[in-house]
Amino acid sequence: EIAMTQSPATLSVSPGERATVSCRASQSVSMNLAWYQQKPGQAPRLLIYGASTRATGIPARFSGSGSGTEFTLTISSLQSEDFAVYYCQKYDNWPPFTFGPGTKVDIK
Amino acid sequence: QVHLVESGGGVVQPGRSLRLSCAVSGFTFSNHAMHWVRQAPGKGLEWVAVISYDGSNKYYAESVKGRFIISRDNSMNTLHLQMNSLRDEDAAVYYCARGGWSIATPGDYWGQGTLVTVSS
Repeated sequence: EIAMTQSPATLSVSPGERATVSCRASQSVSMNLAWYQQKPGQAPRLLIYGASTRATGIPARFSGSGSGTEFTLTISSLQSEDFAVYYCQKYDNWPPFTFGPGTKVDIK
Repeated sequence: QVHLVESGGGVVQPGRSLRLSCAVSGFTFSNHAMHWVRQAPGKGLEWVAVISYDGSNKYYAESVKGRFIISRDNSMNTLHLQMNSLRDEDAAVYYCARGGWSIATPGDYWGQGTLVTVSS
């Protein structure tokens, strides 16, 4: 079974700065990797699918890259509404559709 | 617009059963696979189950296999999760999420979740 890890667990960033979150798969998942944002008390929101394609309505400051086992979510200039927890999820070699443990992006 | 609304959560004793539902609107339900995902209090997301667009294929996480059953009624635009032999570790907010035509797609729209508490 493929395991998903994320780093760092917590990322402290100032508004306007760049944030980079990493996700690693224990085996290749090709480009079958999604990123979600979750704010407290809310459902997750799909940001990126296919490793690099922004979902409908997602601002261009969010970008995804990578393939195989190494992936990155970048937020180019953090806005106040971007402070949240970010999860990656693989949808290759399923089931299961495993999520990473999450990365909390908070205000520095 | 796309809407998913979960219901059926509540407090249940260990070993008992509960049935969750997810009512959808704003899209052609029968064209989409559907997922259940859960989140224990203060924890991360855990994928639970997925069902194909026509209900012919179903897959489960190992943690719920043999106890939970995912189903759908395309005539009623409703997804279900029958949860049997509930355990303390099943306590969580349960979300339904819309997949794509294929099962191998992420959830692009999510409901707000329904809380399941397992307690004696």
